[in-house]
Amino acid sequence: ETGVTQTPRHLVMGMTNKKSLKCEQHLGHNAMYWYKQSAKKPLELMFVYSLEERVENNSVPSRFSPECPNSSHLFLHLHTLQPEDSALYLCASSQARLTGYEQYFGPGTRLTVT
Amino acid sequence: AQTVTQSQPEMSVQEAETVTLSCTYDTSESNYYLFWYKQPPSRQMILVIRQEAYKQQNATENRFSVNFQKAAKSFSLKISDSQLGDTAMYFCALRVDMRFGAGTRLTVKP
Repeated sequence: ETGVTQTPRHLVMGMTNKKSLKCEQHLGHNAMYWYKQSAKKPLELMFVYSLEERVENNSVPSRFSPECPNSSHLFLHLHTLQPEDSALYLCASSQARLTGYEQYFGPGTRLTVT
Repeated sequence: AQTVTQSQPEMSVQEAETVTLSCTYDTSESNYYLFWYKQPPSRQMILVIRQEAYKQQNATENRFSVNFQKAAKSFSLKISDSQLGDTAMYFCALRVDMRFGAGTRLTVKP
C-alpha cells in the first residue's frame, strides 16, 4: 500500500450506531488531518494531529472523537450521528504541520447516516 | 479570519484550449502558502500547484500556472492545452490553517 489509505470506503449507519473510520499513511509523515466534505460546501478541517498530539479541534461536535495511536494511523470514532453528518470524510497527511508542506489525501469514506 | 472564495461553481473548456479558474482570499498573515488541489471524479485529491506568498514569481507546473496578485489577494489557476483528464473539481486553499474554497467543477469537452 502506498500513500494514504482509508477504510471503509463507504459506510451506512443508523443514528444510534457506533462506528470508526480508519486512516493509514505510508509516507513517514508527522501530521495527520480529518476533513469533512459536504455537497456544495467547502472542505472543513475537523482535527489536526502533529506527532500524535491533537493540536487543533475546529469546534467539532463531541459525537466525533478522533484517535491517533501513532504517527501512521488516525481514527475517527462516530456515535449518535445526525443525518446532516452524512458527507465524505477525508484523511490527509503532511510531512509536518508547518504551513508550507503539501497535504496528501486519502480517497475518503462516504458516510451516510440514516 | 481566513477566507477563500471561488466564484465559479462550474466551468467548461474545449480540449486543447486554455481556461482560468479564479480564487480570492483574505488573511491578515504576512507569510502563508496558497495551493490548488484537483479532485477527479471518485478519485483522490492531489496537489496541482503551490505558491509561497513571499515569492513574487508566479509558480508553474507544466501546463498549470498561477497568477498571484498579493495586493489584490487573488490567486488564479491557468490550465493551458486542456486535456480530458483535467476534468475534476478544483479547490483553492490557503495555508495558514488550511482553508479551502468551495471548489470549481471543470469539465473539459472533446
